Amino acid sequence: DGGITQSPKYLFRKEGQNVTLSCEQNLNHDAMYWYRQDPGQGLRLIYYSQIVNDFQKGDIAEGYSVSREKKESFPLTVTSAQKNPTAFYLCASSIVASVNTGELFFGEGSRLTVL
Amino acid sequence: SQQGEEDPQALSIQEGENATMNCSYKTSKNNLQWYRQNSGRGLVHLILIRSNEREKHSGRLRVTLDTSKKSSSLLITASRAADTASYFCATRSYNTDKLIFGTGTRLQVFP
Repeated sequence: DGGITQSPKYLFRKEGQNVTLSCEQNLNHDAMYWYRQDPGQGLRLIYYSQIVNDFQKGDIAEGYSVSREKKESFPLTVTSAQKNPTAFYLCASSIVASVNTGELFFGEGSRLTVL
Repeated sequence: SQQGEEDPQALSIQEGENATMNCSYKTSKNNLQWYRQNSGRGLVHLILIRSNEREKHSGRLRVTLDTSKKSSSLLITASRAADTASYFCATRSYNTDKLIFGTGTRLQVFP
């Protein structure tokens, strides 16, 4: 089945540690995205990538880093510089970022809790 | 913030009733999309309405779009307990082409 796989589903981190969230898609989509979701605030864009080896900052990129070495993979690292990392993280992909439809396909999310 | 806003923030109804959610957005390039999110899960695309359309239907869903007021509504008819979820509208920014999500409406349908 085609889709987006995020792992781990739950992750606990001590303050000062970096953690990496995995996102893999087998939909052959060009564009991939990372969103952060906090209660009552909807989704906020962290980083996005429209093509391999290229990515752009979203609205809340500080304290996060990404890479796009392969078309199917877009891992997100939450660094110790992120002041309030406890949140639900969602990865998504789309065929091409700027066509008229641009429907996003989402993974099931990763919930990060900082202890 | 460029985020849109859904209204109401939360809605509770009985099975069989209709549920209406409204979305106010600040910028939209071509179309508006609605997504559904079950608790603790990823979002699922429901329906897209283009800027030159005023109304669109898909099964029990009816979406309207008023570009002059920058608003959209999602109507779910004959609701079921399985419709319990959060619903988000999303538009694409003119400047950055990014998809911007609203804050969502939490719908609870009681059996």
